[in-house]
Amino acid sequence: DQQVKQNSPSLSVQEGRISILNCDYTNSMFDYFLWYKKYPAEGPTFLISISSIKDKNEDGRFTVFLNKSAKHLSLHIVPSQPGDSAVYFCAASATQYSGGGADGLTFGKGTHLIIQP
Amino acid sequence: EPEVTQTPSHQVTQMGQEVILRCVPISNHLYFYWYRQILGQKVEFLVSFYNNEISEKSEIFDDQFSVERPDGSNFTLKIRSTKLEDSAMYFCASSSVGEKLFFGSGTQLSVL
Repeated sequence: DQQVKQNSPSLSVQEGRISILNCDYTNSMFDYFLWYKKYPAEGPTFLISISSIKDKNEDGRFTVFLNKSAKHLSLHIVPSQPGDSAVYFCAASATQYSGGGADGLTFGKGTHLIIQP
Repeated sequence: EPEVTQTPSHQVTQMGQEVILRCVPISNHLYFYWYRQILGQKVEFLVSFYNNEISEKSEIFDDQFSVERPDGSNFTLKIRSTKLEDSAMYFCASSSVGEKLFFGSGTQLSVL
């Protein structure tokens, strides 16, 4: 039961261009969405999040867009840099405001982003 | 910057043996979690822990698994009798109230 889906296992983008990573979800109870970045042999590190009351959140080169009616979110990275090469996980929670997320996060399978020079 | 630390980074064990994975969450965090990632698969939620008790657990977290916060700083995951399919990277995470999760670097568990 894939409640969070990342349909592209990998994505290759040229340095300086825009990277767009997509994520779809099926559980309408999800109200908080996060993107995590993971390098080999390291744990996931938080990148950016968005609450369901917003449709866009921006932090420097990273912007997350949420389309609730389509149950779709995307992460835009612009301009893409070599250090952005990593696996990106989309994650969702239904419990942002109930004390830290007792239900934990539901992760997608990840998209391996490769930035080419 | 405060971080979640996990030990050991690698653990090799024989099938049927008990293993304990250790984590030191960020000191002022109140919520603690274990996740795992089997090679090539997604990161999966195992259990969350708050106020010295399990808040939520997934189907994966069966009777072979247990968690403990033996003192004010450590958070442990015990697998009583390991199986081959328990081989995975195990991540500990912690969070403050209503905040994002911070993950440790993981313990790679290999069951032979």
